[in-house]
Amino acid sequence: NAGVMQNPRHLVRRRGQEARLRCSPMKGHSHVYWYRQLPEEGLKFMVYLQKENIIDESGMPKERFSAEFPKEGPSILRIQQVVRGDSAAYFCASSLDSLNSPLHFGNGTRLTVT
Amino acid sequence: RKEVEQDPGPFNVPEGATVAFNCTYSNSASQSFFWYRQDCRKEPKLLMSVYSSGNEDGRFTAQLNRASQYISLLIRDSKLSDSATYLCVVSANYGQNFVFGPGTRLSVLP
Repeated sequence: NAGVMQNPRHLVRRRGQEARLRCSPMKGHSHVYWYRQLPEEGLKFMVYLQKENIIDESGMPKERFSAEFPKEGPSILRIQQVVRGDSAAYFCASSLDSLNSPLHFGNGTRLTVT
Repeated sequence: RKEVEQDPGPFNVPEGATVAFNCTYSNSASQSFFWYRQDCRKEPKLLMSVYSSGNEDGRFTAQLNRASQYISLLIRDSKLSDSATYLCVVSANYGQNFVFGPGTRLSVLP
């Protein structure tokens, strides 16, 4: 049973380009979460999605960031017009249900903006 | 007050020591509790869920005190490989569902 799969592992973008981060949840999981982590800092919640629905995006910056979890295919976190401050590790996690089951994390995408 | 608070750390302990981590949460309606560990530059990994009656997994023991809204993690006979940041996670009955504590860093020294 494959775990949460994220790709790419490492992504380098120049300022102004777009970054697309993908996450395939564990089999049977329909709840997906995205977190951002800066070096030496804690995890920051960004967005919580279920299939085709954004449940909570209170942690998403108002501009340039968007997320989706379509009926078919992986969840996508999209960052438009990246800036140096977007450089971070982005972790995706999935869970079986909304409250009682723990989160399982992917191994993250490390975004570097040059 | 933050929703989930943990010992600030870091904890530096010798191999073989017993170390305890504390976590407090503010939402009395929280239902589920977990401990995760995160190694440097890696993803968080589930260490154990925390049950009302307390639970043990090898050298690790987790306790929950709902009245005091307090969770603990005890590591006995610590190993070098236990060096990591330990994250307390509490469920929330709104939006994002899970609230992460800031973590407590542990270094086990030879």
